[in-house]
Amino acid sequence: GAGVSQSPRYKVAKRGQDVALRCDPISGHVSLFWYQQALGQGPEFLTYFQNEAQLDKSGLPSDRFFAERPEGSVSTLKIQRTQQEDSAVYLCASSLGAQETQYFGPGTRLLVL
Amino acid sequence: GDSVTQMEGPVTLSEEAFLTINCTYTATGYPSLFWYVQYPGEGLQLLLKATKADDKGSNKGFEATYRKETTSFHLEKGSVQVSDSAVYFCALPDSWGKFQFGAGTQVVVTP
Repeated sequence: GAGVSQSPRYKVAKRGQDVALRCDPISGHVSLFWYQQALGQGPEFLTYFQNEAQLDKSGLPSDRFFAERPEGSVSTLKIQRTQQEDSAVYLCASSLGAQETQYFGPGTRLLVL
Repeated sequence: GDSVTQMEGPVTLSEEAFLTINCTYTATGYPSLFWYVQYPGEGLQLLLKATKADDKGSNKGFEATYRKETTSFHLEKGSVQVSDSAVYFCALPDSWGKFQFGAGTQVVVTP
């Protein structure tokens, strides 16, 4: 079956520009996670949804970062007024529930110039 | 809080050599433990997992045993191939399922 998909795969933004990153989880997966992966590092948690409810957003680096999952399926991570330090790979993962295996998308590589 | 520590890389091996990547964890309770692999240019893929103490996860010739006594989940493979070249991440979830990842260990296998 289809896995987790993310779009765009690559995004180049000028500093100050707003960007929106999309995640399509595996159908039926209740839990959805966003992670940020800097070059040469492990993924760092950003935020978590259970269905449409955002239960944890403690990892969002600043109020420029915003995520939503309005119908409990597709999720969008929005970054306003991008900064160079936002350059990273943004990974989305979905799972059937807490403690279950998370299935990752290919990621969106964001480069802010 | 929960944390994962894994050995630093890169680890460079010849084909057919034995591979060990150490992973230790700190956690409240007894979470499941995971190893993920990231091939060049790709996303993370589940390699194996273990859900309770003394469980052994295995896949593609890789194995890891959940050791509660030593709080470890070391990854091993008896005979590596060039295609095993990748970055390996140890991970544990908190009660919400939020994963804490290790920093990753790059493995380079040469012919």
